[in-house]
Amino acid sequence: NAGVTQTPKFRVLKTGQSMTLLCAQDMNHEYMYWYRQDPGMGLRLIHYSVGEGTTAKGEVPDGYNVSRLKKQNFLLGLESAAPSQTSVYFCASSYTSISGQGRYEQYFGPGTRLTVT
Amino acid sequence: GQSLEQPSEVTAVEGAIVQINCTYQTSGFYGLSWYQQHDGGAPTFLSYNALDGLEETGRFSSFLSRSDSYGYLLLQELQMKDSASYFCAVSHSGGYQKVTFGTGTKLQVIP
Repeated sequence: NAGVTQTPKFRVLKTGQSMTLLCAQDMNHEYMYWYRQDPGMGLRLIHYSVGEGTTAKGEVPDGYNVSRLKKQNFLLGLESAAPSQTSVYFCASSYTSISGQGRYEQYFGPGTRLTVT
Repeated sequence: GQSLEQPSEVTAVEGAIVQINCTYQTSGFYGLSWYQQHDGGAPTFLSYNALDGLEETGRFSSFLSRSDSYGYLLLQELQMKDSASYFCAVSHSGGYQKVTFGTGTKLQVIP
């Protein structure tokens, strides 16, 4: 049981380049999330998905797109990278619970360190 | 919107007890979680409080007061390996399992 995995672990991009970050989970979780973490700013939600084929915007979605074609995978795309997107990106997943109940525990991947020059 | 406040840094001595406070403002509050993150690592879940009171898990305890919009994480018998950042996070309504994280408290345990 690998939990949540992320590919790649590190990446350096030039401004304007594109790339896709892959997140995979083997826990059969319905919900998946993409966060970015910048120094002193905690975790900010970029996009999330409540199930296969559905995605929605989070707190800081501009410049990113996502897709969830398979339940176990959640992809984050940067179409035209900018230096402001230099950050550590974390994917997370959680199980379904009845709204208002449950532990809301999120399981995080190891992160992708992205530098845009 | 949602907002959370927690101290940015705390220093404590090995073997001692430390309390990390978190105050929040949110609508549709469900519960308060705590996560631990070591430098260079991923956040890992520590605890969750949906009801008022204290939840204990080994050396770690978490407290919630819904009426005061306040919670804390209590770490006892501090060990050097407890040096990490600790994030509080509120779960709130929004059509899905929505969680908003605080900016984190960096705990340094000194000998």
